Amino acid sequence: QQQVKQSPQSLIVQKGGISIINCAYENTAFDYFPWYQQFPGKGPALLIAIRPDVSEKKEGRFTISFNKSAKQFSLHIMDSQPGDSATYFCAASRGGGNKLTFGTGTQLKVEL
Amino acid sequence: GAVVSQHPSWVICKSGTSVKIECRSLDFQATTMFWYRQFPKQSLMLMATSNEGSKATYEQGVEKDKFLINHASLTLSTLTVTSAHPEDSSFYICSARSGALDEQYFGPGTRLTVT
Repeated sequence: QQQVKQSPQSLIVQKGGISIINCAYENTAFDYFPWYQQFPGKGPALLIAIRPDVSEKKEGRFTISFNKSAKQFSLHIMDSQPGDSATYFCAASRGGGNKLTFGTGTQLKVEL
Repeated sequence: GAVVSQHPSWVICKSGTSVKIECRSLDFQATTMFWYRQFPKQSLMLMATSNEGSKATYEQGVEKDKFLINHASLTLSTLTVTSAHPEDSSFYICSARSGALDEQYFGPGTRLTVT
C-alpha cells in the first residue's frame, strides 16, 4: 500500500494560534487529498479536501496548501480553539470516492 | 445529508463466537462501502471494499474467511467477525459513497471487545 507520511505526531498550540500539520505522499497517481478530524470514540469527519489542480483551498478557519512538485500538502488551522483538540488525519486516493490511504495521524491539543 | 450509521456502537463477545456489525447509509444510496479497522492511537487501515451486489475486495493480509462482508443492498453492508479472538478487539469503522458523491462518508464506528 502506498504510504502517506504525516507529521508531527502530536502538536500543542495556544488558543488563537495557528496549527500546521504536514503530509507527504509517494504515489503520483493520487489526485484527491482530504483531511479528517476524529474525536475519541468517534468516526472521522471530513474537514476539507483538495485536488491537485489548485494550490490552496480555504474553508473557514481551515486551509489546505498543496505542492504538487514536492508531493506535499498541509493543513492550517487558523485561530485554533480548544474545541479543535482532536486527532487529524490526512489521506490520499485515486479519485474522490475510491479507497483512501491514511496518514499516521496528528494529535492536536489547543491550550487556553 | 450523507449520514452513515453503524450498529452496534459497542459490543463485547466471548472468544470463539461471531459478531455482526451493520453499516447503513441513511439518506443516500451507497454503491460502494469500505471497512476500516483502527487500533488505539493508530491510523485507519482499510480492510476491504464492497460494491453492492458483488463480492468484497480484501486488502492484502486481511483474512476474507474471518471477516465476512456482505453488501446486499444499496443502503446496508455488514461485517461479520467469525471465531473472534482477543486480537480482533478493535474499533471498526465503515464508510460509504454513492456514484454521485465525490467523498466517502464515515460511520461513527463500532468498538469490539473480545474476551
